[in-house]
Amino acid sequence: YVLTQPPSVSVAPGQTAKIPCGGNSIGTYSVHWYQQKPGQAPVLVVYGDSDRPSGIPERFSGSNSGNTATLTISRVEAGDEADYFCQVWDNTGDPPYVFGTGTRVTVL
Amino acid sequence: EVQLLESGGGLVQPGGSLRLSCAGSGFTLTTYAISWVRQAPGKGLEWVSSISGSGSSTLYAKSIKGRFTIYRDISKNTVYLQMNSLRAEDTAIYYCAKGDNAIFGVASYYYYMDVWGKGTTVTVSS
Repeated sequence: YVLTQPPSVSVAPGQTAKIPCGGNSIGTYSVHWYQQKPGQAPVLVVYGDSDRPSGIPERFSGSNSGNTATLTISRVEAGDEADYFCQVWDNTGDPPYVFGTGTRVTVL
Repeated sequence: EVQLLESGGGLVQPGGSLRLSCAGSGFTLTTYAISWVRQAPGKGLEWVSSISGSGSSTLYAKSIKGRFTIYRDISKNTVYLQMNSLRAEDTAIYYCAKGDNAIFGVASYYYYMDVWGKGTTVTVSS
């Protein structure tokens, strides 16, 4: 199973960033999103398509339908500049844990 | 607070071996699956291996199957990744991560990784 993300997304402070994650019938999978800032470990920001772990701002939201899942960052801040990876569990696949190719979000 | 701490990385020659450790605190390994995920320099995340909470089930990526072994020591609350026959393409930061699941293949879990260690660097070079 392959998850495809655009290499980069640019957004101005205060605007909304949308990060797509494409996969065949991804809407039938549960999608999770990770934020990774330079030199740091990944952090889970959205799980189960649209749920947020405790401590993650409400500005981070997710959706999933058809062949595209989307992470949306509202009211973007400079601190949101990072790489973002989507991930799914493919119960019959090899590998079972699949990560997207990653998207670098640049705050202009 | 749930935390993971990796150790054991370093510089090794091609064909050599290393053992990585992932020590957990604030939770017990028998409750959750633990995974190893690596990131080559300038690249994305690649899942490497996972072990179930019971320790009875292990999963491996094709790229490392037969060379790497995941196992654990409950008394030390630690998961290990024994890496043999190392290649240059194994060079990466290796992270361990805690899953939301205890076992594999059950639909009631999401299979995300909610706690990550800071990583340990493995460099395979002559």
